[in-house]
Amino acid sequence: GENVEQHPSTLSVQEGDSAVIKCTYSDSASNYFPWYKQELGKGPQLIIDIRSNVGEKKDQRIAVTLNKTAKHFSLHITETQPEDSAVYFCAASSEQTGANNLFFGTGTRLTVIP
Amino acid sequence: DAGVIQSPRHEVTEMGQEVTLRCKPISGHNSLFWYRQTMMRGLELLIYFNNNVPIDDSGMPEDRFSAKMPNASFSTLKIQPSEPRDSAVYFCASRPGLAGGPTGELFFGEGSRLTVL
Repeated sequence: GENVEQHPSTLSVQEGDSAVIKCTYSDSASNYFPWYKQELGKGPQLIIDIRSNVGEKKDQRIAVTLNKTAKHFSLHITETQPEDSAVYFCAASSEQTGANNLFFGTGTRLTVIP
Repeated sequence: DAGVIQSPRHEVTEMGQEVTLRCKPISGHNSLFWYRQTMMRGLELLIYFNNNVPIDDSGMPEDRFSAKMPNASFSTLKIQPSEPRDSAVYFCASRPGLAGGPTGELFFGEGSRLTVL
C-alpha cells in the first residue's frame, strides 16, 4: 500500500516569513495529492490539492509543487500570518476505480510567531 | 449547509463499556469515511462506505469495532468492549463521490473525542 512521509513534524516561523512542508510517497500509481489544515478542536479541512498532470498549483499565499519522478510534493505558504498556525496534513491517493483511500502523512504543527 | 455532524463530541467511559459514535454526512454525499486520530499513528482510515455499502474495512483494528450505515444519512461506529487503547479522536468524513473513482474534497466532521479509563 501507499506510505506517505511528512517533514518536519513541527515548524515555527516568524510572521511574514515563508513556511515549507515536504512529503514523499511510495506508490507510483498515486495521482492525487491534497493538503488539509486542522485547527484546534476541528476536523481537517482541504486547503489545496494537485493532480499528477500538473507540477505546480497556486492559490493566493499557498502553493503546492509536485515532482512525480522523485515522488515528492511540497506545500509553500508565503507571508505567513498567525491564523496560519495549525496542523497541516499531506495525503496521496490513486484515483482508480474503487480506490477511495486517502493515505495521510503524520502532520506538521506550524506555529507562526507574531 | 450544516456540514458533517458527529455525536457525541466528547465521551468518557470505563473499560469494557460499549461506545457508539454517530455521524450524519452531508446530504447528497454518497461516500462516508471513519478515521481515527492519535498522536502516535496520526489519521488512520478505519472503514469507508459507498452508497451505504461497506467497501473497505481493512483498517478496523479488531472484532471489537463495527460500523454500519443503515441509510444515506446516518452511520454508526461501535466499540464493544472498549479498551483504554481505543482512546482517540474519531472523525467521520463524507464526499460526493463520482461513479468510476474517487475525487475531490473530503468534508470532515468536528470529531468525537473518546477517553476510555
